[in-house]
Order: sequence, then C-alpha cells, then structure tokens
Amino acid sequence: DAKTTQPTSMDCAEGRAANLPCNHSTISGNEYVYWYRQIHSQGPQYIIHGLKNNETNEMASLIITEDRKSSTLILPHATLRDTAVYYCIAFPGNQFYFGTGTSLTVIP
Amino acid sequence: DAGVIQSPRHEVTEMGQEVTLRCKPISGHNSLFWYRQTMMRGLELLIYFNNNVPIDDSGMPEDRFSAKMPNASFSTLKIQPSEPRDSAVYFCASSPQDSYGPQHFGDGTRLSIL
Repeated sequence: DAKTTQPTSMDCAEGRAANLPCNHSTISGNEYVYWYRQIHSQGPQYIIHGLKNNETNEMASLIITEDRKSSTLILPHATLRDTAVYYCIAFPGNQFYFGTGTSLTVIP
Repeated sequence: DAGVIQSPRHEVTEMGQEVTLRCKPISGHNSLFWYRQTMMRGLELLIYFNNNVPIDDSGMPEDRFSAKMPNASFSTLKIQPSEPRDSAVYFCASSPQDSYGPQHFGDGTRLSIL
C-alpha cells in the first residue's frame, strides 16, 4: 500500500496559484491519488482524484507526473477561504489514512 | 442535497456516562464510516459498514465502543462507559462506491468527557 508524503506547511498569497505537492513513490498501477481538505472545525471535504491523466474540476487541478511518483494539487486563484489542511491519499490501500497533510495558509 | 448529518454537534458529559453519537448518511450511499480526530493521533478510522454490514472494526479502540447500522439511513456510535481519553471530534462519512469512492463527511460531534 502506497504511503504519501507532503510538506507540513505552506503559505500562498491571496489571488495567486497554490501548488501543493505530494510524493507517492511506491504507488501501484491501480491506485488513485485522492485529495481532501479540512477547514478548521469542519469535516474533511473531497476535492479531486486521478489515476494517470491530469484532472480538473471546479475546485482545483491535479497534475500527476508521468511516472506517477508524485502529484501536485493546484488551486488556481487562492482565496482566504482556501486556508485549510490538505490531505493526499492513495486509493485503495490507504484510503483511510489521512496522515498529517499540508497546512496551507493563504495570506491577504 | 442534504449532506451527512451528525448529532449532536457538541456533547459534554461526565466520565462513566453512556454516550451515543448519531449519523444519517447521504441517501443512496452504501458505505458508512466512523472516524475519530484528536490533535495527538489525527484522523483515525474506527469502523466502516458496507450495505449496513460492519466490514472492518479493527480501529475500534476497545469493548467500550460499539457501532450499529440498523438500516441504510441511520448509524450510531456508542461509548459505554465513557472516559476522559475519549474526548475528541467524531466524524461520520458516507460513500456511494463501497470503500473506494470519495467520502463525504459530516460536520462532526465534538465530545468532551469530564
């Protein structure tokens, strides 16, 4: 089961793109990369997931490297409401292991 | 659409008392999950159900904890007797695709055991 590693914390200026990296060097061919975020005192919120191809939805974009050993979640225009802890998870295998995530602070 | 609904939002009780947390999953979802979150241990899976049947309860800390899902629209997590170390935020989540799909979380129950 693939483990993921993320930086502990990041800052981003309001209005700029926030790029959150995730390493998953041991991910297997059938494991998806899922991203969730947790805003203070709320339940985690599903953001996006992908297998091989880059994905985009109304919340974010997910860029997965060709070798699938890492990925980047992109919030194109970060707002103060995007301040949260972001979790990168490998599905299946570690779908219940949220780890410590990356604490993103969007700065005015 | 209504999301996952948990009740109560906050619970404060004395140690030794029975505590019951409730969860209503999103209609049509066939998997339900109970998590516990603390500063020390982060988010931990306690148990999950698929089609109302418990699949994995290996995360349930001890016999004081029990969970039931009598039907597709309701689940309970019970702690009896409660202890101060049970203080945490308890989240319920549901998923439309067994345990492999995106999970939709409720707002949690903040439990304080005095």
